[in-house]
Parts: sequence; structure tokens; C-alpha cells
Amino acid sequence: EVQLVESGGGLVQPGGSLRLSCAASGFIFSSYWMSWVRQAPGKGLEWVAHIKQDGSEKYYVDSVKGRFTISRDNAKNSLYLQMHSLRAEDTAVYYCARGRTTFEYWGQGTLVTVSS
Amino acid sequence: QSVLTQPPSASGTPGQRVTISCSGSSSNIGSNTVNWYQQLPGTAPKLLIYNNNQRPSGVPDRFSGSKSGTSASLAISGLQSEDEADYYCAAWDDSLNGLVFGGGTKLTVL
Repeated sequence: EVQLVESGGGLVQPGGSLRLSCAASGFIFSSYWMSWVRQAPGKGLEWVAHIKQDGSEKYYVDSVKGRFTISRDNAKNSLYLQMHSLRAEDTAVYYCARGRTTFEYWGQGTLVTVSS
Repeated sequence: QSVLTQPPSASGTPGQRVTISCSGSSSNIGSNTVNWYQQLPGTAPKLLIYNNNQRPSGVPDRFSGSKSGTSASLAISGLQSEDEADYYCAAWDDSLNGLVFGGGTKLTVL
């Protein structure tokens, strides 16, 4: 059974940093692109970033470029999102999803709240 | 303001057929495939339609997708109360070099 479990969310002050993790199981992690998608409270879905199987290609939505870094550790079946210079508008539930543009599997999400 | 435009709401009675539209441009829907996601309250999104009109295993054939030019549609026939959810379209945008979602449509089953 495919499982994606996010962790690392929490309350952080504006300008702060946070690292999200996504533990994958039930499939060959190293064979898939992986993505992060977020959803602000009461709002729609927003793609954040995705990373190629070997980590050689990474793409980001413009609003997070230069502040967020997506990475992966295939030996640990894990996906990460390092977030710096966090802003109030980054407040959202962050989902880990399998795939580059088609997301058949999603995690349950982890809430990131940016507030003083 | 989302790159893909969806109506904010839709409604229907049990058994009815409803459609949800998704309007884009030549750089997204016009040149790439469209996926649809269903998000039940308090849960993660679920892939409903991929590659414009393909259903993942387990998705009832009451759900169907289509695409024409720079627009796409999701149709739900034989509407059921459990279909009450938010629905999102998504497509890659060649100009933005990123994946874009519609703003979402909240479907109410009356």
C-alpha cells in the first residue's frame, strides 16, 4: 500500500525557517518524481515544487523561488522541503504527492502557520 | 486569481447530471493534458480524472472528463450525496513552467 506521511509542520515566526519531511513507503521511491502542493486555510490548491527521480531537476512556483528548496534522499525514501524567510502567506497545509504533474497519491498534509 | 478559471460553486439534486468547467489558455490546457481532483471536507485531494478523460482504478464511471481547445469539463452523472466536495482542475503551464490549478468548485448536492 502506498503511503506518504508528512511531518515537520508547526508555528513559526515571519522570517523563520522550517523543514518539512515526507516519508514514503509501498512503492519504489527512486522511480518517481515527487511534489509538494499546499493549501492555504479555506483556499484552493497551489503547486509548490517538484523534483526528478535522481534529484537532478527541481522546479518551483515563482512565489517560493530563492526561499524554498526541495530535496530527496532515495536511500531513506524521503522527500524534504526546506523553507526559509517564511511569510504569513506561506501559511498552509503542505501535501507531499507522488508524481510530476499527475498526483495519484497524496499524504495527509502537515500544517505550517507563519505568525508572530 | 487562478490561472485556470472554474465556477466557485455548482449544485444538483440526487440523480442529476452536473458539469464543472475549467477555462485556460494556449499555454496550459491548450497544449497539455488536464487532471481533475476531488477533495472531500477535511481530507487530502484525490485524483479523479487524468490525461483529460482517464479514470484511475476505483473511480466510478459516473465521473467523466473532456477537453476542447483551451477548456475542459468534468461531468458527474447520477449525482450522489457523497459527491459533495470541492473539485479542482490542473494542467502544466508552458509559459509559467509550472503546474497550475483552478480555483476550485464547491459542489453541493441539494
